[in-house]
Amino acid sequence: NAGVMQNPRHLVRRRGQEARLRCSPMKGHSHVYWYRQLPEEGLKFMVYLQKENIIDESGMPKERFSAEFPKEGPSILRIQQVVRGDSAAYFCASSPPGTASGYTFGSGTRLTVV
Amino acid sequence: GENVEQHPSTLSVQEGDSAVIKCTYSDSASNYFPWYKQELGKGPQLIIDIRSNVGEKKDQRIAVTLNKTAKHFSLHITETQPEDSAVYFCAARKKSGADGLTFGKGTHLIIQP
Repeated sequence: NAGVMQNPRHLVRRRGQEARLRCSPMKGHSHVYWYRQLPEEGLKFMVYLQKENIIDESGMPKERFSAEFPKEGPSILRIQQVVRGDSAAYFCASSPPGTASGYTFGSGTRLTVV
Repeated sequence: GENVEQHPSTLSVQEGDSAVIKCTYSDSASNYFPWYKQELGKGPQLIIDIRSNVGEKKDQRIAVTLNKTAKHFSLHITETQPEDSAVYFCAARKKSGADGLTFGKGTHLIIQP
């Protein structure tokens, strides 16, 4: 069991470019969550997805950010026209369906906007 | 929405001593409280969790207590070891599987040899 796989581990983008972060959940997990962590801060919830559905996006900025979890392939967090303030670690977590337990996090993608 | 406060932000203890980290939450509807350990450069790892129908849970050197009336919960680590050094986060969730977790800001635990 490979765990939650995130790639890339590190991503550098210039201001105005697009960033695409990928997350492959654990085998058998159909729920995916994205969190953002700023330096010296806790994790902030962004979005909760199931296959082909966005369940809760209450933590997503209204502009430039989007997420998807297609029927096939990884979940994608997309940030358009990145700004310096988007620099952070982005973590993905997954859980199996129907569980009341905590979920498993990936190792994160560290985005740096220059 | 939910608000989780965590204290202290930094905790330094001698190896072998106990460490206690405390969290409070604001939403009485929260019913699930996990604790995560994060080492440098890695993702958070679940170490223990507790549900609102239980007052205490223990797993070897780690224990968590929950006071629903006061809306606070604590992590206890006994006989601390150097490998316990990390950042610890508490979190709260309202509904199983439906809402995301609300995290505290973390406690940097330092184990002094």
